Amino acid sequence: SQTIHQWPATLVQPVGSPLSLECTVEGTSNPNLYWYRQAAGRGLQLLFYSVGIGQISSEVPQNLSASRPQDRQFILSSKKLLLSDSGFYLCAWTSGTYEQYFGPGTRLTVT
Amino acid sequence: GNSVTQMEGPVTLSEEAFLTINCTYTATGYPSLFWYVQYPGEGLQLLLKATKADDKGSNKGFEATYRKETTSFHLEKGSVQVSDSAVYFCASRYGGSQGNLIFGKGTKLSVKP
Repeated sequence: SQTIHQWPATLVQPVGSPLSLECTVEGTSNPNLYWYRQAAGRGLQLLFYSVGIGQISSEVPQNLSASRPQDRQFILSSKKLLLSDSGFYLCAWTSGTYEQYFGPGTRLTVT
Repeated sequence: GNSVTQMEGPVTLSEEAFLTINCTYTATGYPSLFWYVQYPGEGLQLLLKATKADDKGSNKGFEATYRKETTSFHLEKGSVQVSDSAVYFCASRYGGSQGNLIFGKGTKLSVKP
């Protein structure tokens, strides 16, 4: 069966520090991968999606970036975090079906 | 553009009450429709789906029917439990398996014993 992992589960970082969040999927190949952000009390915002290795589409211009170095690995990065980057970051995947499956999320607090 | 609108929360109900959470979508084409649930501190879980008009999705006592005529996909449950307390997201998906999900803003449900 397919599983999706995200780490770390929680992270507290100072403003201006770098960020790297990782997402990996098991049990499937060539998935579409997604990064979402959920700010406190708000809905989901699609940040990036990828249909293959090295292929990244950005939905919202900001100081975040994404990379897909391997088929089942998706990384969200920032060179310098802002206070407004705080939130709950969710990775998701889909592969040829209508459903999108979500990881457990990373809670990021920028102080 | 395509969008999903769902009722504002929070919704507070007593245990065993009837639940309806309204959801409507923009009528450009024929999307697939979903309800996701998010329990506190967790990621989203697919609750149910419908891929064409008049389809009824159901799971864990929840139901939603794809109504093309009213462009709606309202979530219902006949008797809620405290364990149903969560945030519920309605979503649409255009473009088949390559399409991205468009989410509503979520509705927080609190069920009191």
